[in-house]
Amino acid sequence: SQQGEEDPQALSIQEGENATMNCSYKTSINNLQWYRQNSGRGLVHLILIRSNEREKHSGRLRVTLDTSKKSSSLLITASRAADTASYFCATYHEVQGAQKLVFGQGTRLTINP
Amino acid sequence: DGGITQSPKYLFRKEGQNVTLSCEQNLNHDAMYWYRQDPGQGLRLIYYSQIVNDFQKGDIAEGYSVSREKKESFPLTVTSAQKNPTAFYLCASAPRFSTDTQYFGPGTRLTVL
Repeated sequence: SQQGEEDPQALSIQEGENATMNCSYKTSINNLQWYRQNSGRGLVHLILIRSNEREKHSGRLRVTLDTSKKSSSLLITASRAADTASYFCATYHEVQGAQKLVFGQGTRLTINP
Repeated sequence: DGGITQSPKYLFRKEGQNVTLSCEQNLNHDAMYWYRQDPGQGLRLIYYSQIVNDFQKGDIAEGYSVSREKKESFPLTVTSAQKNPTAFYLCASAPRFSTDTQYFGPGTRLTVL
């Protein structure tokens, strides 16, 4: 079963606007990670937020975590065409004694020039 | 130049053929992973290895096999028993098998003819 679910599945905005993506998860977590995937490429790690953190920034990225609601959001400010990609949240989920990283289905972000 | 590499980038397989996908890392990471990604979907775990000479089945291991004879190498064989192997395959590594960030290779796109 999916541990992380992103919302919306697809998002299209104009260059310069802000983009917000949301992620919900089901069980308690140690941390939550966001990754980016350009079309046909591997995933690139963007940011990791620990369960005792509420907000984290990295350049134009801002991630929030609400453990009471089991949700996280990724905000990309002042979007650029190069931000066009799919964005995935991922959390570690214990399965049969092992910690496995489980990904949502992703949000496909398109930045229009 | 450190990183994780996968080869080939594109691979075509005939029905009934076994094929092997290569994954190499020079990051000195203990943990390595293989994921499968289908169009518009998230990643699903095929196999993982916590340390050299050890590996475990993930969520969708049927029809796949791996080996971990060297720390830097984790090849994946897609056997003829895998009924629907056409997909994008991603290899990843992490410093330890825990809740670390994972680093991904560029992927191999496998198509069955």
